[in-house]
Amino acid sequence: GESVGLHLPTLSVQEGDNSIINCAYSNSASDYFIWYKQESGKGPQFIIDIRSNMDKRQGQRVTVLLNKTVKHLSLQIAATQPGDSAVYFCAENQAGTALIFGKGTTLSVSS
Amino acid sequence: EPEVTQTPSHQVTQMGQEVILRCVPISNHLYFYWYRQILGQKVEFLVSFYNNEISEKSEIFDDQFSVERPDGSNFTLKIRSTKLEDSAMYFCASSPTPRTDTQYFGPGTRLTVL
Repeated sequence: GESVGLHLPTLSVQEGDNSIINCAYSNSASDYFIWYKQESGKGPQFIIDIRSNMDKRQGQRVTVLLNKTVKHLSLQIAATQPGDSAVYFCAENQAGTALIFGKGTTLSVSS
Repeated sequence: EPEVTQTPSHQVTQMGQEVILRCVPISNHLYFYWYRQILGQKVEFLVSFYNNEISEKSEIFDDQFSVERPDGSNFTLKIRSTKLEDSAMYFCASSPTPRTDTQYFGPGTRLTVL
């Protein structure tokens, strides 16, 4: 089975709405989590990260929430814009150096 | 802002041929990585590299694959005898340290094996 996954493969929102993208992980030993954004034909772009000693971290228009009790990670995007349309991946670091990626959620923003 | 660069952007090769994918990591980073992404699928870890040796590798990274840092700036991935199933996007990444530092990804090389 997969260690990291996302609940929904696609999410469609209207411009200006808030978006919430979810991710479940199974390894309780993971201590570092990252959200990446991937636009078509490009590499994963760092959005925000969080360490396991935190439960919330905010960036510019984005917030990551970590619930270690249920092993759940979410990315909240405020006032979603058409430029936010992309595939969003969560990734975790379990041990060592590798990042383990989930399958991704495709966010479509219509104006 | 410093970024990871990769060349070529697209490589087409015949099955059985050797290919070398090149990367220039961010200059003050110490850890380098290769990942691959088969079309429509998730990103998969291949290998990490530090201090001129492999730190960690996945099951995908078999004897057909090798990595090298030939000079102070380049980091390469070599596939000795390409197979059809090696067709994918290959991403290089780098980080200052592993584990709790962000890995920054390059734009990728699309490898097509015919």
